Amino acid sequence: GAVVSQHPSWVICKSGTSVKIECRSLDFQATTMFWYRQFPKQSLMLMATSNEGSKATYEQGVEKDKFLINHASLTLSTLTVTSAHPEDSSFYICSAKQGNGVGTQYFGPGTRLTVL
Amino acid sequence: GQQLNQSPQSMFIQEGEDVSMNCTSSSIFNTWLWYKQDPGEGPVLLIALYKAGELTSNGRLTAQFGITRKDSFLNISASIPSDVGIYFCAGQRNSGNTPLVFGKGTRLSVIA
Repeated sequence: GAVVSQHPSWVICKSGTSVKIECRSLDFQATTMFWYRQFPKQSLMLMATSNEGSKATYEQGVEKDKFLINHASLTLSTLTVTSAHPEDSSFYICSAKQGNGVGTQYFGPGTRLTVL
Repeated sequence: GQQLNQSPQSMFIQEGEDVSMNCTSSSIFNTWLWYKQDPGEGPVLLIALYKAGELTSNGRLTAQFGITRKDSFLNISASIPSDVGIYFCAGQRNSGNTPLVFGKGTRLSVIA
């Protein structure tokens, strides 16, 4: 159990275009999902907390208008990188936790974004 | 954002050797987690610790939640080639849906 999927697994786009990344909890409902970004040889850095039915909470320094998050259902959160630039190239990873009590977060397999 | 102090940054060991890595924090966490990440993949949970002083094993892996709640260690016994990867510790302050704070990772290489 506790499987989280991401789609696409990798994407290459031209500078200025927008890219949408999906995160799904396949066998559980997640009221909260988290979006992380990881640059090569670095750790995961939290970008935002996505809450079902409400606005996402962004970490300091993350532009909410550039990284649009929509948590439309208990099993799906999307991250849209708008007007992507080469510096947005990174590995984007989501995580989800079942329920609101004690429990662990399970991560998706990640999405490799390359902006040309 | 905040990161945990994880050491060592990298290790090169012979197959069969034991490995130890640890994480420390200046503040208290109520949950400590250890993940392994292979290249191009998301982190996979290895061990979760929910109680100060807790010692938990998962096969050849053993992890402990420090009694001060400010540290944790992970031991791997009798390492094998497939143990290669990056190991991350993560702390969570509250039991609810609060985000994880990650260490910088320990890159493990196993020489056969």
